[in-house]
Amino acid sequence: ETGVTQSPTHLIKTRGQQVTLRCSSQSGHNTVSWYQQALGQGPQFIFQYYREEENGRGNFPPRFSGLQFPNYSSELNVNALELDDSALYLCASSQPGQGNNEQFFGPGTRLTVL
Amino acid sequence: LAKTTQPVSMDSYEGQEVNITCSHNNIATNDYITWYQQFPSQGPRFIIQGYKTKVTNEVASLFIPADRKSSTLSLPRVSLSDTAVYYCLVGAGDTGRRALTFGSGTRLQVQP
Repeated sequence: ETGVTQSPTHLIKTRGQQVTLRCSSQSGHNTVSWYQQALGQGPQFIFQYYREEENGRGNFPPRFSGLQFPNYSSELNVNALELDDSALYLCASSQPGQGNNEQFFGPGTRLTVL
Repeated sequence: LAKTTQPVSMDSYEGQEVNITCSHNNIATNDYITWYQQFPSQGPRFIIQGYKTKVTNEVASLFIPADRKSSTLSLPRVSLSDTAVYYCLVGAGDTGRRALTFGSGTRLQVQP
């Protein structure tokens, strides 16, 4: 069973640029959630995708957008990057309805905005 | 949403039992208590979940009193590898389908 993978591991961008982060969900999982984790803080929910549809969104502006593909992998896109977007971006996959409902997190992508 | 309060940090030594208490005074009837562990540069990892009384698995025990306004995560005989941040979350039990609300967590430092 392959776990959740994310790419790239690290990324450096400048203010105003756009970035795309990628996530491959764990085998058999149809739900992907994205979180932003600033240094020293807990992860904050960005949004969740279930079967290619957005299934909930946290308090993030529209310049944070996402996609989920038929194979349940997902992308997080951030436009017009700001310095405060510097953070660890975490992807988590799950399969609601089965016996174990936990979310399985990937290692994250460390984004630095200069 | 039920807000949780937990200590910012704790220190322990190898071989000791560590108990981390979380307060959740506004917990709702349908809410479960879930604990996650996060190592540096990794994503959080599910440890344990419970609704009432005591739950035990191979990693930890979770103690929940009758009023459910607090809970205690117990880690038996910690080792250096248990150094991590521990998060207490409160919400619906089907954590796979909902947004997880993390606080700032408790930073546990285990020393030799």
